[in-house]
Amino acid sequence: GQSLEQPSEVTAVEGAIVQINCTYQTSGFYGLSWYQQHDGGAPTFLSYNGLDGLEETGRFSSFLSRSDSYGYLLLQELQMKDSASYFCAVRPHSGAGSYQLTFGKGTKLSVIP
Amino acid sequence: DVKVTQSSRYLVKRTGEKVFLECVQDMDHENMFWYRQDPGLGLRLIYFSYDVKMKEKGDIPEGYSVSREKKERFSLILESASTNQTSMYLCASSRIYGRETDTQYFGPGTRLTVL
Repeated sequence: GQSLEQPSEVTAVEGAIVQINCTYQTSGFYGLSWYQQHDGGAPTFLSYNGLDGLEETGRFSSFLSRSDSYGYLLLQELQMKDSASYFCAVRPHSGAGSYQLTFGKGTKLSVIP
Repeated sequence: DVKVTQSSRYLVKRTGEKVFLECVQDMDHENMFWYRQDPGLGLRLIYFSYDVKMKEKGDIPEGYSVSREKKERFSLILESASTNQTSMYLCASSRIYGRETDTQYFGPGTRLTVL
């Protein structure tokens, strides 16, 4: 089975850097994804790590280490609009589950002035 | 621009009613998914479909059924709504090949209240 753990809440100051961690227990998966969801909105795809290492997309970076069963999302130069919930997700290898994602419970990020 | 639409943003139904939630995507995606989202529980998969007329149970299928008669449309059915099915329902779609399978596109959600 798959289990992903994230902190439930994080608070950071505007302009700062914040790291949201995701640790997982899974028998095997294709990659680690991150989604952002603003209050009242739909989740939107942010980034994907198929291989170990860092992926950068503008102010956002995501990291995966399969040997450590660990990944993180790094948000730089925080802006008020980054206040949202962030979900990590994996797609397991086997059977019909190869098409579905398993999501963590999400981390609510609050950016304060 | 990719688009997933859901038939209603808000819906109020009574216990025992049959409820249909419709989802349409215009991206020619093979996969479609139905989730429910509750505070503190994250996104939980109810059912998904990887092809027309194909369906697979997710983590919480009890009390729900689905229908996929056309590639672009995926319906979630509550046969007899109950108060514990009050929730936000999210539809999503994705490709079936390669890393694009990990990129799901979500609809705006339907907030269902069962009285």
